[in-house]
Amino acid sequence: QVQLQESGPGLVKPSETLSLTCTVSGGPIDTFFWTWIRQPPGKGLEWIGFIHDSGMTDYNPSLKSRVTISVDTSKNQFSLRLTSLTAADTAGYYCAREVAKVGYRFDPWGHGTLVTLAS
Amino acid sequence: EIVLTQSPGTLSLSPGERATLSCRASQSISTFYLAWYQQKPGQAPRLLIYGTSTRATGIPGRFSGSGSGTDFSLTISGLEPEDFAVYYCQQYGASPRFTFGGGTKVEIK
Repeated sequence: QVQLQESGPGLVKPSETLSLTCTVSGGPIDTFFWTWIRQPPGKGLEWIGFIHDSGMTDYNPSLKSRVTISVDTSKNQFSLRLTSLTAADTAGYYCAREVAKVGYRFDPWGHGTLVTLAS
Repeated sequence: EIVLTQSPGTLSLSPGERATLSCRASQSISTFYLAWYQQKPGQAPRLLIYGTSTRATGIPGRFSGSGSGTDFSLTISGLEPEDFAVYYCQQYGASPRFTFGGGTKVEIK
């Protein structure tokens, strides 16, 4: 079965750039949409954006100016880049597969990685 | 942007009781586009229901979803100890393409 695992730094500095990678195992990365979602501590979920293996992307307008999602099909990985970080970007970051048959949903999810902004 | 409002914020119930969670959309959405997730502390969300009423693989029959238009609900017919968690609804639509509700916490009374 498909599994996802996030990797990247847990501590970043304000104004810097966050880079996270999601490794997909147990299945191919092509033909699906792959998504990043975040959750500030104690708060709800926010969709960041997705990428298709074709390179097609879509981002949340609230983050669009600072976000880039890319895919490396040779490594079965996709990545998130978020620039100009502030304290508001402190959150758990999840990668997930978007399934678009008979509806749209996220399944499965990675375990998530906590990113903290600290000067 | 379609805003999803979940109520109540917290539901205090005893094991064995029935839980009914509400998710109201700011505009009408297709039943295909409404999903529910369960999240336990320190864990990632888990898909429960998609297409308003279809249970995801491995989800017990005590979980059911219903609704249409702007009003949707998740029902847990008899709470098991492992069901005490936070539940989120999610919709697919116009920009932003996906939004989530604020969540309902189901806690032990």
